[in-house]
Amino acid sequence: SQQGEEDPQALSIQEGENATMNCSYKTSINNLQWYRQNSGRGLVHLILIRSNEREKHSGRLRVTLDTSKKSSSLLITASRAADTASYFCATDAADSNYQLIWGAGTKLIIKP
Amino acid sequence: NAGVMQNPRHLVRRRGQEARLRCSPMKGHSHVYWYRQLPEEGLKFMVYLQKENIIDESGMPKERFSAEFPKEGPSILRIQQVVRGDSAAYFCASSRQDTQYFGPGTRLTVL
Repeated sequence: SQQGEEDPQALSIQEGENATMNCSYKTSINNLQWYRQNSGRGLVHLILIRSNEREKHSGRLRVTLDTSKKSSSLLITASRAADTASYFCATDAADSNYQLIWGAGTKLIIKP
Repeated sequence: NAGVMQNPRHLVRRRGQEARLRCSPMKGHSHVYWYRQLPEEGLKFMVYLQKENIIDESGMPKERFSAEFPKEGPSILRIQQVVRGDSAAYFCASSRQDTQYFGPGTRLTVL
Protein backbone atom coordinates (compact mmCIF):
# COMPACT_ATOMS: atom_id res chain seq x y z
CA SER A 1 0.00 0.00 0.00
CA GLN A 2 1.10 3.57 -0.57
CA GLN A 3 2.74 5.17 2.44
CA GLY A 4 3.50 8.68 1.22
CA GLU A 5 0.53 10.75 0.23
CA GLU A 6 1.13 14.09 -1.42
CA ASP A 7 -1.23 16.96 -1.05
CA PRO A 8 -2.53 18.66 -3.11
CA GLN A 9 -2.80 16.30 -6.08
CA ALA A 10 -2.47 19.25 -8.43
CA LEU A 11 -1.34 22.85 -7.97
CA SER A 12 -1.38 25.69 -10.46
CA ILE A 13 0.28 29.01 -9.60
CA GLN A 14 1.70 32.08 -11.31
CA GLU A 15 5.38 32.32 -12.05
CA GLY A 16 7.17 34.05 -9.20
CA GLU A 17 4.82 32.76 -6.50
CA ASN A 18 5.82 30.19 -3.92
CA ALA A 19 4.60 26.60 -4.20
CA THR A 20 4.05 24.39 -1.18
CA MET A 21 3.45 20.66 -1.38
CA ASN A 22 2.83 18.35 1.53
CA CYS A 23 3.48 14.70 2.14
CA SER A 24 2.13 12.50 4.90
CA TYR A 25 3.26 9.04 5.81
CA LYS A 26 2.17 6.31 8.18
CA THR A 27 5.09 4.43 9.71
CA SER A 28 8.40 5.34 11.32
CA ILE A 29 11.08 6.37 8.87
CA ASN A 30 14.83 6.81 8.66
CA ASN A 31 14.62 9.50 6.00
CA LEU A 32 12.29 11.14 3.52
CA GLN A 33 13.18 12.21 0.01
CA TRP A 34 11.62 14.47 -2.58
CA TYR A 35 11.91 13.78 -6.30
CA ARG A 36 10.84 15.67 -9.40
CA GLN A 37 9.62 14.12 -12.59
CA ASN A 38 9.24 16.17 -15.72
CA SER A 39 6.62 14.91 -18.13
CA GLY A 40 7.88 11.87 -19.98
CA ARG A 41 11.23 11.91 -18.20
CA GLY A 42 12.93 10.07 -15.38
CA LEU A 43 13.04 11.02 -11.76
CA VAL A 44 15.46 13.57 -10.39
CA HIS A 45 16.46 13.49 -6.76
CA LEU A 46 15.91 16.86 -5.08
CA ILE A 47 16.62 16.52 -1.40
CA LEU A 48 16.88 13.99 1.40
CA ILE A 49 15.99 14.85 4.98
CA ARG A 50 16.79 12.52 7.84
CA SER A 51 14.42 11.72 10.67
CA ASN A 52 16.51 13.73 13.13
CA GLU A 53 16.44 16.84 10.95
CA ARG A 54 13.63 19.39 10.95
CA GLU A 55 14.48 21.58 7.99
CA LYS A 56 16.78 21.51 5.01
CA HIS A 57 17.50 23.97 2.22
CA SER A 58 18.82 23.54 -1.29
CA GLY A 59 18.75 26.60 -3.53
CA ARG A 60 15.10 27.64 -3.90
CA LEU A 61 13.91 24.48 -2.17
CA ARG A 62 13.04 24.21 1.49
CA VAL A 63 11.96 20.92 3.03
CA THR A 64 10.57 20.51 6.52
CA LEU A 65 9.93 17.32 8.42
CA ASP A 66 7.64 16.88 11.41
CA THR A 67 8.01 13.33 12.68
CA SER A 68 5.38 13.87 15.38
CA LYS A 69 2.80 14.58 12.67
CA LYS A 70 4.41 12.20 10.18
CA SER A 71 4.44 14.90 7.55
CA SER A 72 6.83 16.82 5.34
CA SER A 73 6.50 19.87 3.16
CA LEU A 74 8.39 21.00 0.08
CA LEU A 75 8.47 24.73 -0.57
CA ILE A 76 9.68 26.09 -3.90
CA THR A 77 10.25 29.82 -3.71
CA ALA A 78 10.08 32.25 -6.62
CA SER A 79 8.71 29.59 -8.95
CA ARG A 80 9.73 29.41 -12.59
CA ALA A 81 8.10 27.86 -15.62
CA ALA A 82 10.82 25.19 -15.57
CA ASP A 83 9.55 24.03 -12.17
CA THR A 84 6.47 22.62 -13.90
CA ALA A 85 6.65 18.90 -13.08
CA SER A 86 5.29 16.22 -10.79
CA TYR A 87 6.81 16.06 -7.34
CA PHE A 88 6.98 12.86 -5.35
CA CYS A 89 7.91 12.17 -1.78
CA ALA A 90 9.43 8.84 -0.92
CA THR A 91 10.05 7.33 2.46
CA ASP A 92 11.99 4.36 3.57
CA ALA A 93 10.66 2.29 6.41
CA ALA A 94 12.53 2.14 9.70
CA ASP A 95 12.89 -1.62 9.23
CA SER A 96 14.17 -1.35 5.67
CA ASN A 97 17.28 0.49 4.56
CA TYR A 98 16.64 0.40 0.85
CA GLN A 99 13.01 0.08 -0.16
CA LEU A 100 11.38 3.39 -0.93
CA ILE A 101 7.65 3.83 -0.61
CA TRP A 102 6.13 6.41 -2.90
CA GLY A 103 3.11 8.63 -3.03
CA ALA A 104 1.14 9.38 -6.20
CA GLY A 105 2.71 12.81 -6.52
CA THR A 106 1.67 16.45 -6.82
CA LYS A 107 1.38 17.85 -10.32
CA LEU A 108 2.69 21.43 -10.26
CA ILE A 109 1.95 23.83 -13.11
CA ILE A 110 3.64 27.21 -13.21
CA LYS A 111 1.77 29.69 -15.39
CA PRO A 112 3.92 32.32 -17.14
CA ASN B 1 30.25 10.39 -14.44
CA ALA B 2 27.35 9.16 -16.48
CA GLY B 3 24.07 8.69 -14.67
CA VAL B 4 21.93 5.58 -14.60
CA MET B 5 21.34 4.38 -18.14
CA GLN B 6 18.29 2.50 -19.30
CA ASN B 7 17.48 1.11 -22.68
CA PRO B 8 15.46 1.00 -24.67
CA ARG B 9 13.62 4.21 -23.77
CA HIS B 10 10.49 3.01 -25.53
CA LEU B 11 9.51 -0.57 -26.19
CA VAL B 12 6.43 -1.82 -28.02
CA ARG B 13 5.46 -5.46 -27.78
CA ARG B 14 2.46 -7.52 -28.83
CA ARG B 15 0.67 -9.67 -26.31
CA GLY B 16 2.57 -12.90 -25.70
CA GLN B 17 5.99 -11.55 -26.67
CA GLU B 18 8.92 -11.06 -24.32
CA ALA B 19 10.20 -7.70 -23.08
CA ARG B 20 13.79 -7.21 -21.92
CA LEU B 21 14.66 -3.97 -20.16
CA ARG B 22 18.25 -3.03 -19.42
CA CYS B 23 19.76 -0.88 -16.70
CA SER B 24 23.37 0.18 -16.25
CA PRO B 25 23.97 1.64 -12.78
CA MET B 26 26.11 4.64 -12.05
CA LYS B 27 29.81 3.96 -11.83
CA GLY B 28 30.71 2.68 -8.40
CA HIS B 29 27.14 1.65 -7.54
CA SER B 30 26.56 -2.03 -6.88
CA HIS B 31 22.90 -1.85 -5.84
CA VAL B 32 20.13 -1.79 -8.41
CA TYR B 33 16.39 -1.35 -7.89
CA TRP B 34 13.53 -1.72 -10.33
CA TYR B 35 10.25 0.18 -10.03
CA ARG B 36 7.08 0.24 -12.07
CA GLN B 37 4.95 3.31 -12.57
CA LEU B 38 1.43 3.08 -13.89
CA PRO B 39 -0.15 6.21 -15.41
CA GLU B 40 -1.09 8.84 -12.81
CA GLU B 41 0.37 6.73 -10.01
CA GLY B 42 3.53 6.71 -7.94
CA LEU B 43 6.31 4.23 -8.25
CA LYS B 44 5.93 0.71 -6.95
CA PHE B 45 9.00 -1.22 -5.81
CA MET B 46 9.61 -4.44 -7.70
CA VAL B 47 13.02 -5.86 -6.92
CA TYR B 48 16.37 -5.02 -5.32
CA LEU B 49 19.55 -6.64 -6.59
CA GLN B 50 23.23 -6.61 -5.92
CA LYS B 51 25.77 -8.15 -8.25
CA GLU B 52 24.77 -11.79 -8.89
CA ASN B 53 22.29 -11.66 -6.03
CA ILE B 54 18.58 -10.95 -5.64
CA ILE B 55 18.16 -9.30 -2.26
CA ASP B 56 14.42 -8.64 -2.28
CA GLU B 57 11.91 -9.49 -5.00
CA SER B 58 8.82 -9.05 -2.86
CA GLY B 59 7.33 -6.48 -5.22
CA MET B 60 7.68 -8.54 -8.34
CA PRO B 61 4.81 -10.64 -9.72
CA LYS B 62 5.49 -14.32 -9.14
CA GLU B 63 4.95 -15.32 -12.74
CA ARG B 64 6.40 -14.02 -16.01
CA PHE B 65 8.72 -11.48 -14.35
CA SER B 66 12.39 -12.07 -13.57
CA ALA B 67 15.40 -9.89 -12.89
CA GLU B 68 19.13 -10.39 -12.85
CA PHE B 69 22.25 -8.35 -12.23
CA PRO B 70 25.19 -10.36 -13.55
CA LYS B 71 28.81 -9.89 -12.60
CA GLU B 72 29.43 -8.22 -15.93
CA GLY B 73 26.94 -6.15 -17.86
CA PRO B 74 23.70 -4.40 -17.09
CA SER B 75 20.83 -5.47 -14.92
CA ILE B 76 17.99 -7.02 -16.92
CA LEU B 77 14.28 -6.99 -16.12
CA ARG B 78 12.59 -9.65 -18.20
CA ILE B 79 8.85 -9.93 -18.75
CA GLN B 80 7.68 -13.05 -20.53
CA GLN B 81 4.38 -13.39 -22.41
CA VAL B 82 3.49 -9.74 -21.90
CA VAL B 83 -0.13 -8.70 -21.37
CA ARG B 84 -1.77 -5.28 -21.79
CA GLY B 85 -1.62 -4.72 -18.04
CA ASP B 86 2.18 -4.75 -18.21
CA SER B 87 2.09 -1.43 -20.07
CA ALA B 88 3.84 1.01 -17.77
CA ALA B 89 7.03 2.95 -17.23
CA TYR B 90 9.78 0.88 -15.65
CA PHE B 91 12.43 2.76 -13.74
CA CYS B 92 15.76 1.51 -12.56
CA ALA B 93 17.70 3.16 -9.76
CA SER B 94 21.15 2.58 -8.38
CA SER B 95 22.68 3.56 -5.08
CA ARG B 96 25.78 3.36 -2.99
CA GLN B 97 24.29 4.62 0.28
CA ASP B 98 20.92 6.23 1.06
CA THR B 99 20.12 8.09 -2.12
CA GLN B 100 18.82 6.23 -5.11
CA TYR B 101 19.56 7.76 -8.49
CA PHE B 102 17.08 7.03 -11.20
CA GLY B 103 17.41 6.32 -14.86
CA PRO B 104 15.13 7.88 -17.47
CA GLY B 105 12.88 4.85 -17.54
CA THR B 106 11.64 2.49 -20.23
CA ARG B 107 8.12 2.98 -21.44
CA LEU B 108 6.62 -0.38 -22.33
CA THR B 109 3.52 -0.47 -24.48
CA VAL B 110 1.78 -3.77 -25.03
CA LEU B 111 -0.51 -3.84 -28.04
